[in-house]
Amino acid sequence: AQSVTQLDSQVPVFEEAPVELRCNYSSSVSVYLFWYVQYPNQGLQLLLKYLSGSTLVKGINGFEAEFNKSQTSFHLRKPSVHISDTAEYFCAVSDTGGFKTIFGAGTRLFVKA
Amino acid sequence: GAGVSQSPSNKVTEKGKDVELRCDPISGHTALYWYRQSLGQGLEFLIYFQGNSAPDKSGLPSDRFSAERTGGSVSTLTIQRTQQEDSAVYLCASSSRTIEQYFGPGTRLTVT
Repeated sequence: AQSVTQLDSQVPVFEEAPVELRCNYSSSVSVYLFWYVQYPNQGLQLLLKYLSGSTLVKGINGFEAEFNKSQTSFHLRKPSVHISDTAEYFCAVSDTGGFKTIFGAGTRLFVKA
Repeated sequence: GAGVSQSPSNKVTEKGKDVELRCDPISGHTALYWYRQSLGQGLEFLIYFQGNSAPDKSGLPSDRFSAERTGGSVSTLTIQRTQQEDSAVYLCASSSRTIEQYFGPGTRLTVT
């Protein structure tokens, strides 16, 4: 069985500052990893995903994440955030053999002017 | 094309009543998921359907919860004898072989 831990429930940051949202997972098998974003009053949408290959994954809106197998982490980063990045971010994991996906509790990113 | 749709968008019900929540996935998507999102709790996996395989019901919190998917398309999540702790947003998602899940807008259930 897989599990996901998002280490920060809330992350306040000033506009144009860098940000890192942390995600750790546990699994006894190979995994796929995802970050989803939920903007205020909107549905969830995929930000980026790691399936295989390069451990550095680039997504939409300038976000990227790095898969670190030895540390079982998949932290999300952006070098310079905008007010419009204010949203809730969910890390998720699924095993490569099936479709069942486990989500973390979410990290609320609040970008201040 | 059309995305995942869910109905109703809001449902208020009295404790003890049964409710049915509906999900229309993206056409051609073989996998369909149900999640529950409670305030500050993230997404809780409930059940998923994949093609003609038996559904994975491992996330259903009690036997009051059930779901079916007819004809490999529309799905209904049924909650019997609702309790106040069932109040949450119920999200449906579908996916194809790309694994990425496409989410619907959710149904906000309030049990009074």
